[in-house]
Amino acid sequence: DTEVTQTPKHLVMGMTNKKSLKCEQHMGHRAMYWYKQKAKKPPELMFVYSYEKLSINESVPSRFSPECPNSSLLNLHLHALQPEDSALYLCASRGGTSGTFTYEQYFGPGTRLTVT
Amino acid sequence: QKEVEQDPGPLSVPEGAIVSLNCTYSNSAFQYFMWYRQYSRKGPELLMYTYSSGNKEDGRFTAQVDKSSKYISLFIRDSQPSDSATYLCAMSDYNQGGKLIFGQGTELSVKP
Repeated sequence: DTEVTQTPKHLVMGMTNKKSLKCEQHMGHRAMYWYKQKAKKPPELMFVYSYEKLSINESVPSRFSPECPNSSLLNLHLHALQPEDSALYLCASRGGTSGTFTYEQYFGPGTRLTVT
Repeated sequence: QKEVEQDPGPLSVPEGAIVSLNCTYSNSAFQYFMWYRQYSRKGPELLMYTYSSGNKEDGRFTAQVDKSSKYISLFIRDSQPSDSATYLCAMSDYNQGGKLIFGQGTELSVKP
């Protein structure tokens, strides 16, 4: 089963709100990713967690705050977002278990975020 | 110049046609190659994953990698309207820390 789940499916928030996106995988993968995707563009990497530690931050503004509570869960906390942050937010996990990574990534269905 | 180039299309073909989707790349260190299919407003779905050069077949889909030309292809045989989607190529190497470098995506429409 190569499934990554994300909640919520849709989110509308005002610029002063605080909200969180959630991602879960039960494939035993030890690397998880957050991407942002705008219409007709490829996914754009935001953060990488490897063995529950933040390994890559692609210079993302601090209004996005990632968290990895355990090896199966990944959260993205949102605060004081701007309308230009409206996008599809994708979570992915990287293949491989038992300390051996492979290179393919499995994506969740995404959360469609609208900032008003 | 982008590291990965992919014709964005749109590409429109009749049902039953053979579709050829392509990407070129500039980084000779890339060794791991993927094709994703993305339906409108959905997450990308992994279609094919290949390592180094050669061919890989899965049902109606064939992925080819030619490292000498820095060129990868995805062929879809007997295309169906349900194949209408955006196809993204992605690639990585050992030193990328797990980062995928994506092409821009090709929008494919298969007409009944």
